[in-house]
Amino acid sequence: EAGVAQSPRYKIIEKRQSVAFWCNPISGHATLYWYQQILGQGPKLLIQFQNNGVVDDSQLPKDRFSAERLKGVDSTLKIQPAKLEDSAVYLCASSLFRRDRFYNEQFFGPGTRLTVL
Amino acid sequence: AQSVTQLGSHVSVSEGALVLLRCNYSSSVPPYLFWYVQYPNQGLQLLLKYTSAATLVKGINGFEAEFKKSETSFHLTKPSAHMSDAAEYFCAVSDQGDDKIIFGKGTRLHILP
Repeated sequence: EAGVAQSPRYKIIEKRQSVAFWCNPISGHATLYWYQQILGQGPKLLIQFQNNGVVDDSQLPKDRFSAERLKGVDSTLKIQPAKLEDSAVYLCASSLFRRDRFYNEQFFGPGTRLTVL
Repeated sequence: AQSVTQLGSHVSVSEGALVLLRCNYSSSVPPYLFWYVQYPNQGLQLLLKYTSAATLVKGINGFEAEFKKSETSFHLTKPSAHMSDAAEYFCAVSDQGDDKIIFGKGTRLHILP
């Protein structure tokens, strides 16, 4: 079974530029997450999708970050314009959604390392 | 609010020695607890999880953790360290019935030859 795919793996941009990240979840996984992992910290949830609807985007800086999940499969995360403090690894994760389970394991992609100069 | 605190951002152990990574949690409701491992340039991989069944949880690669409610702890151990265990380890917590996970800051484990 293929894992969560992310691209690009690395991206270097200058501040005030725009950037987009792509995530393809595991086939059949209804729930998709984007996390931001700043160096020296644990991952922080930015947004959670259930199919193509947003479940939680309370930690997403909406003035510059946006995300979409058209057709409930792939997802893109965009930053426009980027700031120096956006330098981080952006992780995508997906999970099955089963109402009969108390916990649905998240599977993580390899991440995209963003450097903002 | 839920949170986890990992004691020590860096831990070094000799190959063959006991590995002990410490995690304390704060939660207003019975939590689910997790340990994840992250190898360089890779995503996170679930090592083990506690979901209110047995308090001693065994995971992959010989790791285990014990849930101690009285100490609000969920420390990760492995009897004998291997060079391949060098990685960053994250403790995490979630509410029962909630798939959202709160991660600690991580502990980088170094294995000395």
